Amino acid sequence: GESVGLHLPTLSVQEGDNSIINCAYSNSASDYFIWYKQESGKGPQFIIDIRSNMDKRQGQRVTVLLNKTVKHLSLQIAATQPGDSAVYFCAENRDDKIIFGKGTRLHILP
Amino acid sequence: DAGITQSPRHKVTETGTPVTLRCHQTENHRYMYWYRQDPGHGLRLIHYSYGVKDTDKGEVSDGYSVSRSKTEDFLLTLESATSSQTSVYFCAIRDRESYEQYFGPGTRLTVT
Repeated sequence: GESVGLHLPTLSVQEGDNSIINCAYSNSASDYFIWYKQESGKGPQFIIDIRSNMDKRQGQRVTVLLNKTVKHLSLQIAATQPGDSAVYFCAENRDDKIIFGKGTRLHILP
Repeated sequence: DAGITQSPRHKVTETGTPVTLRCHQTENHRYMYWYRQDPGHGLRLIHYSYGVKDTDKGEVSDGYSVSRSKTEDFLLTLESATSSQTSVYFCAIRDRESYEQYFGPGTRLTVT
């Protein structure tokens, strides 16, 4: 069935390097995509979003790329810091239902 | 947590008992959501509301019902709790003009 998913469950990155977290989606009708960060014991926190009519959006140290041709979404975090250690979720909007993928754990190596 | 609270924060209950979780917001946001989070499944949408007395099912609605009699409160009820409903439950809210959701702190429910 249609789903939002992630390629890798765990990603280990050296502190100071850039991190790239990937997400695949299958519903071509989704019009809006969001990335969330969840720290241990807390609810998810909004990071950045992108509408389906855009290819790229930048925030502070984060960039989201959307490739509609292959239905792929990515989150890039520049100069990864220890505080970036968390689980990252992509989510998509389908008629006001916001559906989450399974998540990728980002582990920062010292 | 952007004016959103959940109660109780922790609950242990026995199989077959009814349970109601409450989500309360002070933001006057139109949309409210209930998710459950389990290892290996991420967050799964149970039910959501797009206004007072307007609700709809999500991905995993079986065994759950909801009610929204006023803007600020969204209740999730397990009519007869089962062990498979042991989970962490998150409520979220969002404004009409944005897809950015704000999440509550979560409720850890254990059904024994």
